[in-house]
Amino acid sequence: SAVISQKPSRDICQRGTSLTIQCQVDSQVTMMFWYRQQPGQSLTLIATANQGSEATYESGFVIDKFPISRPNLTFSTLTVSNMSPEDSSIYLCSVGLTGDTQYFGPGTRLTVL
Amino acid sequence: GENVEQHPSTLSVQEGDSAVIKCTYSDSASNYFPWYKQELGKRPQLIIDIRSNVGEKKDQRIAVTLNKTAKHFSLHITETQPEDSAVYFCAASTDSNSGYALNFGKGTSLLVTP
Repeated sequence: SAVISQKPSRDICQRGTSLTIQCQVDSQVTMMFWYRQQPGQSLTLIATANQGSEATYESGFVIDKFPISRPNLTFSTLTVSNMSPEDSSIYLCSVGLTGDTQYFGPGTRLTVL
Repeated sequence: GENVEQHPSTLSVQEGDSAVIKCTYSDSASNYFPWYKQELGKRPQLIIDIRSNVGEKKDQRIAVTLNKTAKHFSLHITETQPEDSAVYFCAASTDSNSGYALNFGKGTSLLVTP
């Protein structure tokens, strides 16, 4: 497996502001994904981060709200824009190492006041 | 899109007993079915997975079975221990334009009492 890190690990933000979350992997990976886990809930896929092209968003998630970058095969960022208290969640990146198997980063716990 | 149903939502067993968690999926094209264990405050950890060309897979006390015809798969934990207490998530994945994106069930909170 790979070592996956996320920054920040947690943050408390004011409504209307934006936060950029970083995901770093210690080896090159083909697939990177971003998920949201609301308190006490399951994981929901936000988007697939594609290297060198625009991210592929799932239904209910849009680029203006969750812009994603993937400049290379080891790094991706997710921005949560114009935040509201409803955006309070854990945001997790995952990576696909071999085909379909995915491993998760430690997550970023976001609280919006 | 894919819809994954998971039951039960909570499960309490005594140490040493077996625990079974069941999931169904809707998309017949799904071909990969992982199970994740998430302890409180930690990331989901992959514990076992199965692909559509296999009916059963076992790893020590953990086993997963898949019935493609019925579109359901199950996690079996034998000889449960208190450290097995966690939330377990099933997921289903299809090779698509989004790669192998995972669709998760709602989770099962397993409590193993000594």
